[in-house]
Amino acid sequence: GDSVTQMEGPVTLSEEACLTINCTYTATGYPSLFWYVQYPGEGLQLLLKATKADDKGSNKGFEATYRKETTSFHLEKGSVQVSDSAVYFCALSLHQAGTALIFGKGTTLSVSS
Amino acid sequence: SAVISQKPSRDICQRGTSLTIQCQVDSQVTMMFWYRQQPGQSLTLIATANQGSEATYESGFVIDKFPISRPNLTFSTLTVSNMSPEDSSIYLCSVEGGGPGDTQYFGPGTRLTVL
Repeated sequence: GDSVTQMEGPVTLSEEACLTINCTYTATGYPSLFWYVQYPGEGLQLLLKATKADDKGSNKGFEATYRKETTSFHLEKGSVQVSDSAVYFCALSLHQAGTALIFGKGTTLSVSS
Repeated sequence: SAVISQKPSRDICQRGTSLTIQCQVDSQVTMMFWYRQQPGQSLTLIATANQGSEATYESGFVIDKFPISRPNLTFSTLTVSNMSPEDSSIYLCSVEGGGPGDTQYFGPGTRLTVL
């Protein structure tokens, strides 16, 4: 079935370090791909998305490229900040009305100064 | 994008009681989704609520335990019935922002603790 696999956390980095959180997917057809972020004590916020192969989503210094050949959507940031500490969820949508997102298990990022 | 509010934002409840969570959207939407996020876990879909029809529940979730109402295109409620400590979770509602398979936007969540 359709699924999303994220790298296990937690990920602990120092401020200004580079970040990569791996995400791979299995899906029939051509899904849209998303990264959501959940800051401590808050709900989910859309961070970025890509709707077709080779699209690059970007926001707040984060970016991810939809790679159909490797079925991946890895999240990257060149220089993390303490304020980036949160849980990051990779998700896919199957372009069907009324179909819920399929989420990965989430990766906790902790950035220290 | 859609702006979604939920009430209450958090609650502490006694075993055996029920809690109704409200979800309000600032625009008319066809589908609303209810998710559960257990401590330290990812999101699990509870049900999909379409206005004017019964909600569709995912495997492992039943209407008697999680009754849902959808009286109009901007509002829905989820009730957690006969609660036990295992129901302690964050409950989130979400909506699709545009066309089929479009971005889903989430409410801030309701943090429920059952003693």
